[in-house]
Amino acid sequence: AQSVTQLGSHVSVSEGALVLLRCNYSSSVPPYLFWYVQYPNQGLQLLLKYTTGATLVKGINGFEAEFKKSETSFHLTKPSAHMSDAAEYFCAVSSTGGFKTIFGAGTRLFVKA
Amino acid sequence: DVKVTQSSRYLVKRTGEKVFLECVQDMDHENMFWYRQDPGLGLRLIYFSYDVKMKEKGDIPEGYSVSREKKERFSLILESASTNQTSMYLCASSLWTRGENTGELFFGEGSRLTVL
Repeated sequence: AQSVTQLGSHVSVSEGALVLLRCNYSSSVPPYLFWYVQYPNQGLQLLLKYTTGATLVKGINGFEAEFKKSETSFHLTKPSAHMSDAAEYFCAVSSTGGFKTIFGAGTRLFVKA
Repeated sequence: DVKVTQSSRYLVKRTGEKVFLECVQDMDHENMFWYRQDPGLGLRLIYFSYDVKMKEKGDIPEGYSVSREKKERFSLILESASTNQTSMYLCASSLWTRGENTGELFFGEGSRLTVL
């Protein structure tokens, strides 16, 4: 069975500071990993994904994440936070041949001026 | 761009009413999903469908049913709404690529249901 743990339900950073949102997963098969973002009163949209190949993946809005198999982690980072980054972020895992995508509980990012 | 449209953004229903949530996608995706989103619980899969007239239970199917009569449309039905079904409901679709499902989901904007 697959599962996802996001460390910290709320993260607060100052504008211009580093953003680090943590995600650990468990999977008995090679995983596909995703980060989605949800702005208030909207659905989720894909930030970035890892399927195969390069372990450092870049996404939209300056975000990136690194797949570390030995640590079963897929942490999301952005060098400099912007006010518009305030949203809820979800880490998710699926696998080839599978239909299900399993989501973490989400981390709400607050950005202080 | 893929567009997933959910027919109602906000609904208020009474306990015991039958509720229909409609979802339409315009990109010819094979797979469609209904998730429920609650604070602190993330997204939980209710039902999914990988083909017309096919449906599979997700993790929390109790109290729900679905219908997929056409490829582009996937409906979620609450036969008798209860207060514990007050939630945000998200529809999503995904594509098979070269015989594989990468799991990348395209979401609608959500339907916020309140059951009184």
